[in-house]
Amino acid sequence: AQSVTQLDSQVPVFEEAPVELRCNYSSSVSVYLFWYVQYPNQGLQLLLKYLSGSTLVKGINGFEAEFNKSQTSFHLRKPSVHISDTAEYFCAVSTGRRALTFGSGTRLQVQP
Amino acid sequence: EAQVTQNPRYLITVTGKKLTVTCSQNMNHEYMSWYRQDPGLGLRQIYYSMNVEVTDKGDVPEGYKVSRKEKRNFPLILESPSPNQTSLYFCASSRGQPLYEQYFGPGTRLTVT
Repeated sequence: AQSVTQLDSQVPVFEEAPVELRCNYSSSVSVYLFWYVQYPNQGLQLLLKYLSGSTLVKGINGFEAEFNKSQTSFHLRKPSVHISDTAEYFCAVSTGRRALTFGSGTRLQVQP
Repeated sequence: EAQVTQNPRYLITVTGKKLTVTCSQNMNHEYMSWYRQDPGLGLRQIYYSMNVEVTDKGDVPEGYKVSRKEKRNFPLILESPSPNQTSLYFCASSRGQPLYEQYFGPGTRLTVT
């Protein structure tokens, strides 16, 4: 079975500061990794995904994530955040056969 | 516009009164799924469907039913709702396996008293 751990439930950060949201996964087989974002009162939308190839993945809105197989991590980063990045971020993993297994979410709060 | 729609968006009901939450997508997607979102637990999959007439249990299927008679629709049925099913529910669809981007509906907030 696969599982996902998001280590921080909340991350406060000032506008224009860098941010890293941490995600670790567990699986006995190869995995595919995703980050989704949920803005207030909305459904989720895909930020980026890692299927294969380069371990550094770039997504929308200036976010990127790095797949680290030895550390079973897929941390999300942005060099400079904006107020509009305030949202909840979910890391998710799939083995390709079923649906995604989501982490518990990290609430990013960008302060002016 | 490509979208996943859910109805109703908000629902308050009483224990034991059967209800259905509808989900429809206009993207001709084969894969559809239902999730529930609870604080601190993230999203947990209830049921999913790989195609018409093909459904399977997710991680938390107890107390729920689904059907997939048409490709575009995937209703979620609560035969006898209980307070522990109070939650925010999301329907999602994708082109195929979950490797493809999943498109989420706007959510249905259900309260069972």
